[in-house]
Amino acid sequence: NAGVTQTPKFQVLKTGQSMTLQCAQDMNHNSMYWYRQDPGMGLRLIYYSASEGTTDKGEVPNGYNVSRLNKREFSLRLESAAPSQTSVYFCASSTGSFGNTIYFGEGSWLTVV
Amino acid sequence: GENVEQHPSTLSVQEGDSAVIKCTYSDSASNYFPWYKQELGKRPQLIIDIRSNVGEKKDQRIAVTLNKTAKHFSLHITETQPEDSAVYFCAGTDSNYQLIWGAGTKLIIKP
Repeated sequence: NAGVTQTPKFQVLKTGQSMTLQCAQDMNHNSMYWYRQDPGMGLRLIYYSASEGTTDKGEVPNGYNVSRLNKREFSLRLESAAPSQTSVYFCASSTGSFGNTIYFGEGSWLTVV
Repeated sequence: GENVEQHPSTLSVQEGDSAVIKCTYSDSASNYFPWYKQELGKRPQLIIDIRSNVGEKKDQRIAVTLNKTAKHFSLHITETQPEDSAVYFCAGTDSNYQLIWGAGTKLIIKP
């Protein structure tokens, strides 16, 4: 039982390049999330998927797109990376029920130069 | 919408002393308040949570208290140990049951 797995762990991009962060969970969770974490800013929700087939914007969606490929997988795409997107990205999942624990992946460190 | 403020941003305590981190929230309808711990370079993990129908919850050295009238909740850690050093995040919930996070508190345990 791996929990939430995300790749890559580290990535350096040039401004304007595109990339996709992959995330998969093996807990049969309905809801999946993408957060970014910047120093002193806490965790900010980028997009979430309450259930398979649905996606919704979070607090900071600009510059990102997501795909809920199936119940297990939820990917985050940066179409044209900008230095402001340098951050640590966390994928997470939960059952989606009220008050349920959110489980995080190990994080992806992204640097845009 | 819901806004969660967390204080202090950094807290330094002597090993063995108690630590208290406070959060305030804006939406009176918010009804679930978890606390997550994030060690350096690791993922956040749930350590304790409380629902709005409960005033206090305890788990060994960790406790959370909730004051619905004042719209604030606090994390209490007693007999602090070096492994308690981490960043702690509180959260409330918005109308869609999504978590709204505080900015985090860096807890430093001095030997």
